[in-house]
Amino acid sequence: GEDVEQSLFLSVREGDSSVINCTYTDSSSTYLYWYKQEPGAGLQLLTYIFSNMDMKQDQRLTVLLNKKDKHLSLRIADTQTGDSAIYFCAERTGANNLFFGTGTRLTVIP
Amino acid sequence: DVKVTQSSRYLVKRTGEKVFLECVQDMDHENMFWYRQDPGLGLRLIYFSYDVKMKEKGDIPEGYSVSREKKERFSLILESASTNQTSMYLCASSSREWGTEAFFGQGTRLTVV
Repeated sequence: GEDVEQSLFLSVREGDSSVINCTYTDSSSTYLYWYKQEPGAGLQLLTYIFSNMDMKQDQRLTVLLNKKDKHLSLRIADTQTGDSAIYFCAERTGANNLFFGTGTRLTVIP
Repeated sequence: DVKVTQSSRYLVKRTGEKVFLECVQDMDHENMFWYRQDPGLGLRLIYFSYDVKMKEKGDIPEGYSVSREKKERFSLILESASTNQTSMYLCASSSREWGTEAFFGQGTRLTVV
């Protein structure tokens, strides 16, 4: 499969911003996704960005895409304890193929 | 409300047993996937299916097989369970249309003893 890399852990204080980073290798990626996994649950889609976009904002979430560097980031403003979870980035390179990163475990300290 | 349902949340099986993990989706999706999730390794694709009776190997198919006899159901089979197959197994489905998201089941935590 394709290489999608993320750092494994991130800790932030409640109220601060969190930035979760992801790098990918396939330049033909068309869509890039951020999924959230809460403890004991499956994955839920948070947001996605099409590869011809640089930025997408959705309430507290901002996605930045640097296509030249193949770098994707997710910024969560005013991070809350309910944001503690594992965050996965994923790239879609065809109609059927979806590749996931290793996941970043976000811990929010009260 | 869209749904991907996995038949069990927790399973404990013995080494050498044949194990069936079932997944059903109610969205008429063409694509269905089985992933395995391990700490520090993220989600690794075992198999996916893009149509009834069609399947393709993912990154780690060894020790697994799949069955898709009906569009809504995708089964993962461990022919002879081993302790290194202890893991969280996640099923997902998606439409074939570009850009659509994949919907995930709750996961099955399988322990092989």
